[in-house]
Parts: sequence; structure tokens; C-alpha cells
Amino acid sequence: QSALTQPPSASGSPGQSVTISCTGTSSDIGTYNYVSWYQQHPGKAPKLMIYDVSKRPSGVPDRFSASKSGNTASLTVSGLQAEDEADYYCSSYAGSSSFVFGPGTKVTVL
Amino acid sequence: EVQLVESGGGLVQPGGSLRLSCAASGFTFSDYWMHWVRQAPGKGLEWVSRTNFDGRITAYPDSLKGRFTISRDNAKNTLNLQMNSLRAEDTAVYFCAREGVSSLDYWGQGTLVSVSS
Repeated sequence: QSALTQPPSASGSPGQSVTISCTGTSSDIGTYNYVSWYQQHPGKAPKLMIYDVSKRPSGVPDRFSASKSGNTASLTVSGLQAEDEADYYCSSYAGSSSFVFGPGTKVTVL
Repeated sequence: EVQLVESGGGLVQPGGSLRLSCAASGFTFSDYWMHWVRQAPGKGLEWVSRTNFDGRITAYPDSLKGRFTISRDNAKNTLNLQMNSLRAEDTAVYFCAREGVSSLDYWGQGTLVSVSS
């Protein structure tokens, strides 16, 4: 079970868009449509933002969108707002009842 | 309102043991798979364990197999994590989380485990 790969940081100005990639393998992202994304502010618990590759839970703004192609998933935050500044983690089901997370991407709103 | 409240964290010496608990409320606990996830200081999230509705199915990353054991008591709406042979690298905030649709839809606030002599 190897961790997923994410860029350590991403940034954008208010109103702009930022896209975060999450690369796995054929054993996780490439096989299962069970990719999720979490937002975490400092000192807080993670919050589910996306599940099943591209679905948004109730209450998550539609500025957050996501997709998957092959072994790579992506999260896009459009119309960046100050409150979007946080760490973002991707996760995938990896078979045999196991899950795996990415190392996280720190999003900075310039 | 869904609530998950972890407890049992603290300071433990290397080689020691600790048992974490997570009290669940606001939903039918026995209807959900549950997870433990940890986060070392300044680091990212690491998946620790998962268990099914009745506790008969459990899973761990290869790196933790044999030292950590997840269990649940549906009568008490409680999730547990028994941690043995603790090492400095196990120092982290441990979160319990509910599995919704193939994702973790509710999280507790976490409990800090520090392994040090």
C-alpha cells in the first residue's frame, strides 16, 4: 500500500482557480471510483469535500469540483476565496478493505 | 447531530500500550463501517484501520499489522483502537471517522498520543 502523490503546494489569487492532482496506481485510483477529497484547516478535523471521484456532499459549494483520468484524480477550486486556504488531502480505496491517503497539498490564497 | 468523541490519548513510554476509544452519537452506529486515521505533528493524514458493521472484518496498512487492533461495541456505540509496542513514530493525533459512501463523512476532533521516554 503506497501513499498517493500530491504536489506539496498550490496557490492562486482570489477569484482564480487552482487544481490539485493526486496520482495513484492501478491498484487504487486506477481501479476504483472511490476517490475522496478532504479539506483541513489548522488545528481542525478534516472535512469531506468530494466523494466517489466527483460528487459533492450537501453543503459543499459548487466551486469545488473533481475528476479522474486513469491513475490520476484532480480537485479544482474555482473562484478562490480566503476561506479556501487550507490543506487538501486525496484518498482512495485500495482494495482488501484498505484505504490510502495522499501527503496533502497546502493551498494558499495570495 | 452526528458526534464522534475520541478519548484515551496521552503520554506513553516506547514499548508501552494504549487503548483509544471513540464515542459515537447522533446516528445508528451499527449501520456504519468505522475508521481510525492519524496525523503526526506537522504531517499528513495516515489511514490506520477500518472495521465493518459488526467488527468481524478489520483492515490495517501493512506497516501497522500485528501492533494495532480495532474493535467496536455496538451496544455502547463505541469504537476502540488497542495500540501495542508503541514507538516514537506512532506519536500523532488519532481521529475516528465514520465511513459514508466510500469516504469518511464525519470525523471526531482527535486525541493526541505521545510516545516518549
